[in-house]
Amino acid sequence: QITLKESGPALVKPTQTLTLTCTFSGFSLSTSGVAVGWIRQPPGKALDWLAHIYWNDDRYYSQSVKSRLTITKDTSKNQVILTMTNMDPVDTATYYCAHLVGGNNKYYYDYWGQGTLVSVSS
Amino acid sequence: DIQMTQSPSSLSASVGDRVTITCRASQSISRQLNWYLQRPGKAPKLLIYGASTLQSGVPSRFSGSGSGTDFTLTISSLQPEDFATYYCQQSYSSLMYTFGQGTKLEIK
Repeated sequence: QITLKESGPALVKPTQTLTLTCTFSGFSLSTSGVAVGWIRQPPGKALDWLAHIYWNDDRYYSQSVKSRLTITKDTSKNQVILTMTNMDPVDTATYYCAHLVGGNNKYYYDYWGQGTLVSVSS
Repeated sequence: DIQMTQSPSSLSASVGDRVTITCRASQSISRQLNWYLQRPGKAPKLLIYGASTLQSGVPSRFSGSGSGTDFTLTISSLQPEDFATYYCQQSYSSLMYTFGQGTKLEIK
């Protein structure tokens, strides 16, 4: 059974750096074809894809926030870490991590964490 | 970047109705299109991947079609639990997996 859970601060101040951890079980991020992604959702708004990291350490970032994001993995701990620098109130959102799988040109997020709400305020 | 546009943004329907939601990509994405359902306060749930493949456990009243730039999600007979927000997502460009803006399906 695949599960994912996000953890991190509920409140950060403007200009601070946010660090979120996705701890997962039921799969290995060293298995070919597997990735973990981060998606956020501001209150009342649409899903916003941020980044994902593959089993082979390939990383992809949203162009809109690329300069502020870093995604890393710790395979031994079954964790994926997202850092976002220079936080702003517009970054207030629920942050989700999700398991990405696929092949034959079909890739999709089939399991999601419950999400963690991060508020940015002084 | 590939932009995804859903229509309508909101939709009112009744239990038992057949509804269709459309998603259009700004460039061809072959069949690399996924659909998700999100209920209030919950994480998104995968419904369909690869434009038309039903995820395991998803009721057969959900179906997807399309290729290239135009895609549809159809619910053949709405059930009370289907009233939620639906999102399409392209997975053609590994550089950026964009979502549509969502379609909120409400009870009439």
